[in-house]
Amino acid sequence: DAKTTQPTSMDCAEGRAANLPCNHSTISGNEYVYWYRQIHSQGPQYIIHGLKNNETNEMASLIITEDRKSSTLILPHATLRDTAVYYCIVKRAGGATNKLIFGTGTLLAVQP
Amino acid sequence: GAGVSQSPSNKVTEKGKDVELRCDPISGHTALYWYRQSLGQGLEFLIYFQGNSAPDKSGLPSDRFSAERTGGSVSTLTIQRTQQEDSAVYLCASSLGPSGGTETQYFGPGTRLLVL
Repeated sequence: DAKTTQPTSMDCAEGRAANLPCNHSTISGNEYVYWYRQIHSQGPQYIIHGLKNNETNEMASLIITEDRKSSTLILPHATLRDTAVYYCIVKRAGGATNKLIFGTGTLLAVQP
Repeated sequence: GAGVSQSPSNKVTEKGKDVELRCDPISGHTALYWYRQSLGQGLEFLIYFQGNSAPDKSGLPSDRFSAERTGGSVSTLTIQRTQQEDSAVYLCASSLGPSGGTETQYFGPGTRLLVL
């Protein structure tokens, strides 16, 4: 599975949009981009995933560049409860295993 | 609806003792995963079950670690002769599995293990 690169930390003002970048320049055509987050002392929480089209759900939007080498997770109106470590993971669909390989993620601190 | 549950939520044990950690996946999920997160470390994969079989055990750190799954549902992770370096949060996740057409994993709250 392709490696990802994320900034170590980011700040965002409450109520503003949080844009979290992820680079995955070695991504293959059959690999998806997944985003999870981990709020302190909790298990990771699934946010969104996509292959090549932009995706939106009730939590966030995922923007994937045309060449698929990078993506951005957008939280449209960040709240204090969105403070967490956000993980961008690239994973091939199917295969013998479905394990997630977590990097160090981005610590998003939403400021009041 | 009910999510993934794990028990106990916290476990303190003495070095050298055996511990068992339990995971109840989401009903209907055929795939189950164990991960662990050590203090200051990232999340690392331990083992993957599809049904009762474990096609990927590559993350188990030593032969002191084992896991089983029965009835395609509950899973138990056993650590024998615990060491202090085993102290970590052990996380379980489940997903529908290949036949479900989606592989999104849903995590439980974890078991915090402290080995004294």
